[in-house]
Amino acid sequence: GNSVTQMEGPVTLSEEAFLTINCTYTATGYPSLFWYVQYPGEGLQLLLKATKADDKGSNKGFEATYRKETTSFHLEKGSVQVSDSAVYFCATAYSGAGSYQLTFGKGTKLSVIP
Amino acid sequence: EPEVTQTPSHQVTQMGQEVILRCVPISNHLYFYWYRQILGQKVEFLVSFYNNEISEKSEIFDDQFSVERPDGSNFTLKIRSTKLEDSAMYFCASRRQGDKNIQYFGAGTRLSVL
Repeated sequence: GNSVTQMEGPVTLSEEAFLTINCTYTATGYPSLFWYVQYPGEGLQLLLKATKADDKGSNKGFEATYRKETTSFHLEKGSVQVSDSAVYFCATAYSGAGSYQLTFGKGTKLSVIP
Repeated sequence: EPEVTQTPSHQVTQMGQEVILRCVPISNHLYFYWYRQILGQKVEFLVSFYNNEISEKSEIFDDQFSVERPDGSNFTLKIRSTKLEDSAMYFCASRRQGDKNIQYFGAGTRLSVL
């Protein structure tokens, strides 16, 4: 089955710093890749996705590129804000019997300080 | 904006008791999921549900677990006889047919088994 490994947290950055959260995956076939974000007290929200090799997903200033050769999907943002403080989850979708359930990493907690 | 709602937000129960966690998926969605996250660990897939039956389930989803869509709006997860190790955050998710890449998550129910 699929598996996802993402960098351990917590990560603490100053406002306007550059963010990278590493994510690598193992999967059969060509999975879709996702970053989900969980703000305090809320559910998981899709941040961005990529469905095939070399696709770049982007949203709210965050980007991640599907790298098949390195089986990676690292999340980046050029200038983080305090409002970006949340837990970030990397995930793959496994089609299985057609249900496309998600396989998640452990999550990386990001704290941005003013 | 439509959202997945879960109730209660926190459930405390005694070991051996039955619990039912409730979810109201987005109204035009046809695929439903339960995931759980034990504190400090990964978000794990439990079960997917489509067309009034389970489409896939993980090894975690043993005979103590069951799911049901008792009416046109609710989707429930029942644990028949809770164990201490069932303490976790339980997330419900749903997606539209034909949109295999995007699952929408609820805010979760925190289950504490004492």
